[in-house]
Amino acid sequence: DSGVTQTPKHLITATGQRVTLRCSPRSGDLSVYWYQQSLDQGLQFLIQYYNGEERAKGNILERFSAQQFPDLHSELNLSSLELGDSALYFCASSVNTADGYTFGSGTRLTVV
Amino acid sequence: GQQLNQSPQSMFIQEGEDVSMNCTSSSIFNTWLWYKQDPGEGPVLLIALYKAGELTSNGRLTAQFGITRKDSFLNISASIPSDVGIYFCAGQLPGTASKLTFGTGTRLQVTL
Repeated sequence: DSGVTQTPKHLITATGQRVTLRCSPRSGDLSVYWYQQSLDQGLQFLIQYYNGEERAKGNILERFSAQQFPDLHSELNLSSLELGDSALYFCASSVNTADGYTFGSGTRLTVV
Repeated sequence: GQQLNQSPQSMFIQEGEDVSMNCTSSSIFNTWLWYKQDPGEGPVLLIALYKAGELTSNGRLTAQFGITRKDSFLNISASIPSDVGIYFCAGQLPGTASKLTFGTGTRLQVTL
């Protein structure tokens, strides 16, 4: 157990729908990062939050949004889902250093 | 966005063989990290490198931060079946706080 909890582990939904992925960071970590991993692809950075505020943004689609709550858990909202959004979505947390990333086990999203 | 070119894409080796993989970029990185991802899991940090020229070992793993700060390699000696997985390099660009850019991964298969 890495200490980073992601739920749900698997999600199957239809095109056009909206889903919410949840991440609880490791105790004491203030930064949360979201990454997308498509089939046989590397990890694409989506967005980072630090202590409730957006810190950095990657190639995140406008249909996607995220937030970090006062208790430091984070949610990634994906709307108007398309087939191409099917992927593994990883959350990682750190105190705020590049070498301190701890990844969760991911949420596998399948859009049908 | 920034690209980290990782090679080879995949490797099939026999147990006991040594493995070498590398990561290159056109950009300078402040920090280089190597991760391993097992099926169905999030990446786990193997080695972190902080200075140009730095050579660091972790058991059978050795990694180096290139002198130009634009590349890094990872060597695995005397491979064993549990080395199977996807290996990712990741780098931190100057001025990007703790955000990491990931390579495309090297898929390692070990045969007995």
